[in-house]
Amino acid sequence: EPEVTQTPSHQVTQMGQEVILRCVPISNHLYFYWYRQILGQKVEFLVSFYNNEISEKSEIFDDQFSVERPDGSNFTLKIRSTKLEDSAMYFCASSGRGFNQPQHFGDGTRLSIL
Amino acid sequence: GENVEQHPSTLSVQEGDSAVIKCTYSDSASNYFPWYKQELGKRPQLIIDIRSNVGEKKDQRIAVTLNKTAKHFSLHITETQPEDSAVYFCASNTGGFKTIFGAGTRLFVKA
Repeated sequence: EPEVTQTPSHQVTQMGQEVILRCVPISNHLYFYWYRQILGQKVEFLVSFYNNEISEKSEIFDDQFSVERPDGSNFTLKIRSTKLEDSAMYFCASSGRGFNQPQHFGDGTRLSIL
Repeated sequence: GENVEQHPSTLSVQEGDSAVIKCTYSDSASNYFPWYKQELGKRPQLIIDIRSNVGEKKDQRIAVTLNKTAKHFSLHITETQPEDSAVYFCASNTGGFKTIFGAGTRLFVKA
């Protein structure tokens, strides 16, 4: 069964540094998402992406965050100047054609800001 | 803004008993309601979903009900087994591109 893959599995970064989290969505999916989960808390929506542009974003997704689909397979989340509170698990997800299709999650990247 | 309330936060049942988790959503435009199971350190995995044109859906030991008028939806797990122990999240999607998750229910199934 096709899967969403994320790299790296764990990223340790100094506060103030830039970080890029990478995702390869399922190949025939058209809708891509990033979520954040602080340890022990709920999954929080960050951003959705369709047709090479952001469809919707949450209040968390401020100017420090950006997303990109640099080629036909990768989908990236960049945090420009990391803060301690950015430490969390970041999940990428993708879904197929149409609205309200099941989202398939990757295994996540654990981001630790020192 | 949109919000999803989920109860209880923790649920402990004896193996073989049923478990019920309830959620309430605020956005009347919501029309898709997935449920995810998350084991410790793992990804959320979709276990069942329901769309707003359906009142109930069942898949083996798992069922979900939706009351659009009251903006309630519930997950029912029958004949629980120890491997059902996990955190369960309800979620609501407005039909656009935003999914709001509930706070999660930690289910313990005691053997």
